[in-house]
This record gives sequence, C-alpha cells and structure tokens, in this order.
Amino acid sequence: GENVEQHPSTLSVQEGDSAVIKCTYSDSASNYFPWYKQELGKGPQLIIDIRSNVGEKKDQRIAVTLNKTAKHFSLHITETQPEDSAVYFCAASIRPGTASKLTFGTGTRLQVTL
Amino acid sequence: DAGVTQSPTHLIKTRGQQVTLRCSPKSGHDTVSWYQQALGQGPQFIFQYYEEEERQRGNFPDRFSGHQFPNYSSELNVNALLLGDSALYLCASRTSGRNIQYFGAGTRLSVL
Repeated sequence: GENVEQHPSTLSVQEGDSAVIKCTYSDSASNYFPWYKQELGKGPQLIIDIRSNVGEKKDQRIAVTLNKTAKHFSLHITETQPEDSAVYFCAASIRPGTASKLTFGTGTRLQVTL
Repeated sequence: DAGVTQSPTHLIKTRGQQVTLRCSPKSGHDTVSWYQQALGQGPQFIFQYYEEEERQRGNFPDRFSGHQFPNYSSELNVNALLLGDSALYLCASRTSGRNIQYFGAGTRLSVL
C-alpha cells in the first residue's frame, strides 16, 4: 500500500521567513495530494491540494510543488505569521471511485516566533 | 452551511466496553470516511461508506464497524475496547467522484 514520509517533524522559523515541508510517496498510482493544517483541539483543515497533472499551485502565501518522477511534493509558506503555527500534514490518494482513502504523513509541527 | 459535525466531543470508557461515535457529513456530501489519530501521529484510515455500504477498509480489526444511514450520516462502533484504542477519531466527508475531503473536529476517546 501507499506510504507517505514527511520531513521535518518540527520546524521553527521567525515571523516573515519562509517555511518548507517535504513529503515523499511510494505508490505511483497516487494522483491527488492535499495538505492539511491542524490546530490544537481541532480537526485537519484543507489548506491547498494538487493533482498529478499539475506541477505547481499557489494560493496567496501558500504554494505546493509536485515532482511525479521523484514521487515527492512540498509545501511552501512565505511571509510566515504567528497564526501559521500548527501541525501540517501531507497526504496522498488515488482517483476517487476506486481507492480514495487518504494516506497521511506523520506531520510537521511549525512554530512561528516573533 | 454546517461543516462536518461529530458527537460526542469527548468520551471516557473502560477496557472491554463498546462505544458508538456519530458523524453528520457536510451538506451535499454523500461519502463518509473514518480515521483514527493517535497522539502525535497522522490520521490512519479506518473505512469509508458510500450508499450505505462499506466501500474500502484500512488495516483495522473487525472490532471496528460502521454504518451509514439514508441521510448520509454515519456511525463508528468499536467493541471490546483496548487501551490502545485511545485516540482522536475523525470523520471526513466528500462528494462521490470528487477528491476533496473535509474533516470534523473529532471525538476524543479515552480508554481506561
């Protein structure tokens, strides 16, 4: 089955700096890669996603890149703010209608310091 | 528009007991998945329901079972609770044929 690895497990940046979180996946059939942000006491919140037919996607300060050949994808957060502090999870799945379960990475705890 | 709602928010049980967790999907969604999130870990897929049938199952024992009702809401049942079942149980919903899944806030289960 699919296996998703995520690095680093913790990341501390100063406010205004950029943060990068990297994930690799094992199943070449995976074609959908969402990123979730989880704050304390809350469920995961989708922040951005990318499909395998796209190499990069941006949404304001957040961007995701995908390298299908190398089977890795990354989350980039620019101009970090204290409210970006949370645990971030990457995930992978294949096309819905077949096996659409999400396989998650182990998470990255991001701390943005003033 | 209410998102995914789960009840109860917290639950304390003892070993050997049985528990039922409930989930109402986001309006317009017909597919519900359940995930178990142990402390400090990513969510692990338990199973998925669509058209009132279990469509896909993760690596969880038969003690974990579920149900989906005609209104698309769902229940997760866990029998013969073990200490290791203590976790945050998350429900996620989506529209069949679409990727995007939305999660509820979860039910925190503590087994003593």
